[in-house]
Amino acid sequence: ETGVTQTPRHLVMGMTNKKSLKCEQHLGHNAMYWYKQSAKKPLELMFVYNFKEQTENNSVPSRFSPECPNSSHLFLHLHTLQPEDSALYLCASSPPGRSYEQYFGPGTRLTVT
Amino acid sequence: AQKVTQAQTEISVVEKEDVTLDCVYETRDTTYYLFWYKQPPSGELVFLIRRNSFDEQNEISGRYSWNFQKSTSSFNFTITASQVVDSAVYFCALTGLTNSGYSTLTFGKGTMLLVSP
Repeated sequence: ETGVTQTPRHLVMGMTNKKSLKCEQHLGHNAMYWYKQSAKKPLELMFVYNFKEQTENNSVPSRFSPECPNSSHLFLHLHTLQPEDSALYLCASSPPGRSYEQYFGPGTRLTVT
Repeated sequence: AQKVTQAQTEISVVEKEDVTLDCVYETRDTTYYLFWYKQPPSGELVFLIRRNSFDEQNEISGRYSWNFQKSTSSFNFTITASQVVDSAVYFCALTGLTNSGYSTLTFGKGTMLLVSP
């Protein structure tokens, strides 16, 4: 148990649906991340938030919309996704001054039909 | 650019065998960190070890050991006397900087280890 939780753990959605993924940590970390893990590909960094401010958008399509209302919560809003967006979405957080020390949540397994 | 190569896609061993997972990296940074993570079927990434680029001492933790060779840019991971519970995907990772100068991780594609009873 790393202290980073993600809900839901599994999600199936159609291409016209709108859904959101949630990540939560109460570790006192200031930075939060979204990663995408597709089959047979390395984990890809999507977004980085530092003290609620987005510091990195790794050329992610606009159908993925992150939101970070505070340092403890991170959302990923999904709309009009494509089947190739099916993947494991992992959230991570890191403590102040140690962005290399990332703690990962269990992930949300997303299937787009 | 950062790059991590895990050439072994899948490894199958029988319980009690020793197994080594290879990791080769590329970076232009003089200071960096290397990591190994374990991802069991449940999905979460479990942190195993972090190694600073200035520390080339090998490390042993129970049945796990790591061999960091800066000269060959390798950071290999050995499991001694493997057990069924070791079955998982193992990822090697390297710190790097994003375009905004923020530290992040570059992962290899992972090695799936299957330990049979």
